[in-house]
Amino acid sequence: DTAVSQTPKYLVTQMGNDKSIKCEQNLGHDTMYWYKQDSKKFLKIMFSYNNKELIINETVPNRFSPKSPDKAHLNLHINSLELGDSAVYFCASSQGGGRADTQYFGPGTRLTVL
Amino acid sequence: GDSVTQMEGPVTLSEEAFLTINCTYTATGYPSLFWYVQYPGEGLQLLLKATKADDKGSNKGFEATYRKETTSFHLEKGSVQVSDSAVYFCALPYPNTDKLIFGTGTRLQVFP
Repeated sequence: DTAVSQTPKYLVTQMGNDKSIKCEQNLGHDTMYWYKQDSKKFLKIMFSYNNKELIINETVPNRFSPKSPDKAHLNLHINSLELGDSAVYFCASSQGGGRADTQYFGPGTRLTVL
Repeated sequence: GDSVTQMEGPVTLSEEAFLTINCTYTATGYPSLFWYVQYPGEGLQLLLKATKADDKGSNKGFEATYRKETTSFHLEKGSVQVSDSAVYFCALPYPNTDKLIFGTGTRLQVFP
């Protein structure tokens, strides 16, 4: 069973469109994250949710809106896509509680904006 | 603020060579330290960690020792394999949060 899964794996779309990426974890973790990895492999946290509540919101344009319907899911919706949004987006989860436990990453979603 | 600095890559080695990837940190207190590995086309996965000074984390032949005197957590392996080719990230947690601060990553390429 896949611990952290994301869909889709690849997403190619035009500038200005709206798209969503879904993430699910079956580890029973309380905390989930979204990261953005650029072409140079630099990894930057975007958001973190703990038990469906937003706890970390880095300086991310408000075109990005995370949604957590329950603690096993954290989806990322992106409005008005721009060229600079092209990247690989990773979902991750951990037990949480401020203990900085091991984070488990999904396989990533490669977003290409044309 | 807290930060992590890794050596720039790529690191290119022949199979069975000795590997060192340097990582130094700046931190308040003595946080846990992590090495994550990202194989081509995959997400990151934990390689090893150390939770306090002088601890040695180890996994899959890789080792790293938490050295507070030099604020370092260098990754080493005695004999690399082609299958070790990946990007390696050093990381530490932001104080009292679940947020991890990642280094810039070091690409390792191992040739037969």
